[in-house]
Amino acid sequence: DAKTTQPPSMDCAEGRAANLPCNHSTISGNEYVYWYRQIHSQGPQYIIHGLKNNETNEMASLIITEDRKSSTLILPHATLRDTAVYYCIVRVLFQITGANSKLTFGKGITLSVRP
Amino acid sequence: SAVISQKPSRDICQRGTSLTIQCQVDSQVTMMFWYRQQPGQSLTLIATANQGSEATYESGFVIDKFPISRPNLTFSTLTVSNMSPEDSSIYLCSVGDEQFFGPGTRLTVL
Repeated sequence: DAKTTQPPSMDCAEGRAANLPCNHSTISGNEYVYWYRQIHSQGPQYIIHGLKNNETNEMASLIITEDRKSSTLILPHATLRDTAVYYCIVRVLFQITGANSKLTFGKGITLSVRP
Repeated sequence: SAVISQKPSRDICQRGTSLTIQCQVDSQVTMMFWYRQQPGQSLTLIATANQGSEATYESGFVIDKFPISRPNLTFSTLTVSNMSPEDSSIYLCSVGDEQFFGPGTRLTVL
C-alpha cells in the first residue's frame, strides 16, 4: 500500500503557482519524499526528492514540514504542459540502506492547468 | 539523467503467445526495474532486474509468467508469456536510484 495520501485532483490557472499537497504521516526517519509526474501516455518523469530540507531545482520546489508528515510540491509558473498526474512517494534511498528501495505508486493527483 | 529506450513501443498480440520487451540505457546502471500499468491504473512494480543473478519478483508476479534477463549493465528484457487479454497494459522499465523511466511499451492482447 502507498504510504502517502493525495487529493484526487486540482486545477490552477496558467502562469500561476500550482501547490500540490501530500500527506505522509507514517514516514520513517530514513525515508525520502519523491515526486514524479506522468503526462498522458508517457513514462513517469522524476521531478525532485528531499529528506527534511526544502529543495529546489529547475522544475519545481519541494517544501517539507518540520515534522516531515506532509509536503508540498510547487510548480512556480504552471503551463498547459504541466497537466499530468503527480505522484508523491516515500522510499528509502538505495545508497543509504543497500537494499532494494522500491517505488510504490498510489493514485496520485491529477493537475489540470487551465488557460 | 539516463536516456532509456524501449522496444517495441507498442504491439498487438494474440492470446497464448509471448512478447519480449527490450530496455536499453545509454549508460551503465546498477538498478533496473520493470513496472506494469494497467488501463486507468497506477504503476505496479513487477520485478527488479539484477545483473548476473535472477530477478527479484514482487508479490503476485512469477518468473514463469514474466521471465527477465539482465545480461549487462545497460540492457534488460521482460517477456510476457502465454498472454491473455488481462495482460494488456503499458510495461515500463526504469533505471537508477532516482528511477528514470523509459517511454513504455503499450501491449494489447486480443
